[in-house]
Amino acid sequence: GENVEQHPSTLSVQEGDSAVIKCTYSDSASNYFPWYKQELGKGPQLIIDIRSNVGEKKDQRIAVTLNKTAKHFSLHITETQPEDSAVYFCAASRNNQGGKLIFGQGTELSVKP
Amino acid sequence: DGGITQSPKYLFRKEGQNVTLSCEQNLNHDAMYWYRQDPGQGLRLIYYSQIVNDFQKGDIAEGYSVSREKKESFPLTVTSAQKNPTAFYLCASTTGGSGNTIYFGEGSWLTVV
Repeated sequence: GENVEQHPSTLSVQEGDSAVIKCTYSDSASNYFPWYKQELGKGPQLIIDIRSNVGEKKDQRIAVTLNKTAKHFSLHITETQPEDSAVYFCAASRNNQGGKLIFGQGTELSVKP
Repeated sequence: DGGITQSPKYLFRKEGQNVTLSCEQNLNHDAMYWYRQDPGQGLRLIYYSQIVNDFQKGDIAEGYSVSREKKESFPLTVTSAQKNPTAFYLCASTTGGSGNTIYFGEGSWLTVV
């Protein structure tokens, strides 16, 4: 079945360093890849997304890259701040499934001051 | 403000009871979803509905039921047949179609006592 693998499961960085989280997906028909940030006890919030016709997208300190051939995509956070500490989820879906997302297992990011 | 409202935030269920989680959205979204999240894990799809009066099972529908009588409402009932219902439940919605942003509610914690 469809599957999304996410690594690492935990990531600890010093404030100001960069953080990279990687995901691979199994369904070659997937064409939409959002990233969500979830704080404890709250619902996930979309932070950035990318579609399959684009290889890279950037929004201030956050960027996402997509390699369709290898079926993997990555989240890059530069100049990390303590408020970036949260659990991050990648997800994938395809055209005919609308919002039916397949989620990765999550990465707990800790940014140490 | 527009958004997705889930209630209650915390709910306790006794063995053998059915409980219903409410999800209401005023975003005029066509599609709505229920996900389950277990501690330290990703989100798994329970049920989804792309239009009123229609819904489909997700990956873990057993022990759950839903209805979609109104566009803005998508309640989830956790039945006594669900053997391990303790989890964080998240409702989401989107305009539908491909690659549209999916918004999540703030979640409901269900605990079996």
